[in-house]
Amino acid sequence: QVQLVESGGGLVKPGGSLRISCAASGFTFSDYFMHWIRQAPGKGLEWVSYISSRGSPKKYADSVRGRFTISRDNAKKSLYLEMNSLRAEDTAVYYCARGPPYDYWGQGIRVTVSS
Amino acid sequence: QSVLTQPPSASGTPGQRVTISCSGISSNIRSDTVNWYQQFPGTAPKLLIYSNNQRPSGVPDRFSGSKSGTSVSLAISGLQSEDEADYYCAAWDDGLNGPVFGGGTKLTVL
Repeated sequence: QVQLVESGGGLVKPGGSLRISCAASGFTFSDYFMHWIRQAPGKGLEWVSYISSRGSPKKYADSVRGRFTISRDNAKKSLYLEMNSLRAEDTAVYYCARGPPYDYWGQGIRVTVSS
Repeated sequence: QSVLTQPPSASGTPGQRVTISCSGISSNIRSDTVNWYQQFPGTAPKLLIYSNNQRPSGVPDRFSGSKSGTSVSLAISGLQSEDEADYYCAAWDDGLNGPVFGGGTKLTVL
């Protein structure tokens, strides 16, 4: 069955960096666009970034452009999000999702930016 | 502020029919299909409706979607207590070249 499993979250200080990962299984990973979507505490869903099936093109939300980098390794069936210059407002649960229409989501990984 | 507009809350009693609206503009809802997601506290969103009115396998037919112009609606008939959750609409925005979400609607079953 299709599974997406995020890892790598945690607590980081403002200005710091973090890399989160999403391991895919149960489907042909290299056939799909993949997205990162986040949800700040008590807030709604916010799209962060996407990457095409072959790794280009990529697209970012204005709020993270220039600070976050999305990448993928189709051989390892993995999706990544490198997050730099982190801010308090980046605190959220980060989900990887297949698609759209986002028919499968990971369980989410919490990223907390705080001093 | 979300690009797509949803009411923050909705409610109904068991057995009732409830609708949740989602409005956008020509670059998103009018030009592309809309998807709906259901989210329970502490869990990942789940695809509920795709391409305006299609249900993924396993979603009860109590859930239905419709679209008219730049507005879409999610209808839940025969409301059940387990339907109490947050509901989000989403669509691709041609101007942003990315997806946009509604702010979410918290459904309470009274």
